[in-house]
Amino acid sequence: AQKITQTQPGMFVQEKEAVTLDCTYDTSDQSYGLFWYKQPSSGEMIFLIYQGSYDEQNATEGRYSLNFQKARKSANLVISASQLGDSAMYFCAMREGHILTGGGNKLTFGTGTQLKVEL
Amino acid sequence: EAQVTQNPRYLITVTGKKLTVTCSQNMNHEYMSWYRQDPGLGLRQIYYSMNVEVTDKGDVPEGYKVSRKEKRNFPLILESPSPNQTSLYFCASSPHRGGSPDQPQHFGDGTRLSIL
Repeated sequence: AQKITQTQPGMFVQEKEAVTLDCTYDTSDQSYGLFWYKQPSSGEMIFLIYQGSYDEQNATEGRYSLNFQKARKSANLVISASQLGDSAMYFCAMREGHILTGGGNKLTFGTGTQLKVEL
Repeated sequence: EAQVTQNPRYLITVTGKKLTVTCSQNMNHEYMSWYRQDPGLGLRQIYYSMNVEVTDKGDVPEGYKVSRKEKRNFPLILESPSPNQTSLYFCASSPHRGGSPDQPQHFGDGTRLSIL
């Protein structure tokens, strides 16, 4: 079963508008972390924001915020005031907290959402 | 500057010719990992290492080998590359904190491999 689902292969947004990128996840662990990464056309992976499963507040980092709805198992990324430089592929990823195994450090990725910001 | 360095960034080679992609990190991280990225599939883990001399398979280990003789280095070896290993490869590292999930992984800039 897919653990991270990103249902939007591509999104368009106008400059200065806000956009929400969807991410749902599946885990039976109580302790886990959710991450968003940005991949511009140059290819590198840029860490954007993190949300822990026990965090009560939604994470925010500048123009990025994470809309975390634990009961619905969703962790949507909100980008406010979009800029042309936000055009990129965005990946949602989950790290499950298995204390006894090295697999607990593994990131499981979704298939990504290609965001295009237009003038 | 804290970084993960991969080499080469680009490589075109032929089927069966052994190759090694190097990965080095300067953050004294215990955990290192290799991923491959393919269109429509996201990133999938190939191998990982918890520390020196400790490695294990990820989700797609077939056709790859790794070693961890030093903490900072984690090379990916393709003994007999095949065209289905054409992909974008990423090395990543993070501190290992007993399974605590809060550390983001630091990624290298990626290596584009084309196997003809």
